[in-house]
Amino acid sequence: DVKVTQSSRYLVKRTGEKVFLECVQDMDHENMFWYRQDPGLGLRLIYFSYDVKMKEKGDIPEGYSVSREKKERFSLILESASTNQTSMYLCASSPSGEPQHFGDGTRLSIL
Amino acid sequence: RKEVEQDPGPFNVPEGATVAFNCTYSNSASQSFFWYRQDCRKEPKLLMSVYSSGNEDGRFTAQLNRASQYISLLIRDSKLSDSATYLCVVASLGGYNKLIFGAGTRLAVHP
Repeated sequence: DVKVTQSSRYLVKRTGEKVFLECVQDMDHENMFWYRQDPGLGLRLIYFSYDVKMKEKGDIPEGYSVSREKKERFSLILESASTNQTSMYLCASSPSGEPQHFGDGTRLSIL
Repeated sequence: RKEVEQDPGPFNVPEGATVAFNCTYSNSASQSFFWYRQDCRKEPKLLMSVYSSGNEDGRFTAQLNRASQYISLLIRDSKLSDSATYLCVVASLGGYNKLIFGAGTRLAVHP
């Protein structure tokens, strides 16, 4: 069974902090994704990666960066957290040509 | 206009009812289509892929109408455990690397 693990279920940070969200998958998937989910807006793609050290901007990359140094790990970084980045963050992975599998999500609050 | 549009609901139905959700998409070049299910405060999980010829999985039937650019999900003999939000998902050109999510339709099945 596919396992996508996000480092935290709940996280509270302050405005201006640098925030790291970690995601690990154990199925050797090529593709990994970071989304945020807000009420009424659905899931929106922030960044994705199709290989180690490769990254592509999604629909809303502003204020975020990512890192993929190893195939199994994809990190999302909020360079300087702001209150409008309070959201549910979801990581997903997939092999090429297959649907995505999601982690449990991280509910991030920026105060 | 949103790329993928769904009626947010909620659809409140009694156990045993048949319920149908529709979803429209704007990009006529979209290649792949899915229904995901998301329980409250949980991650989305793939329910089923949607094929041009239509497909069925137990009580669930998915259909695709490319000419009208809509996708449907039919649930027969609703169970209490079907209560969830159903996300319509469309893959843009290039396959599974980029998914566009609808905001979801909420279903509440009551005794």
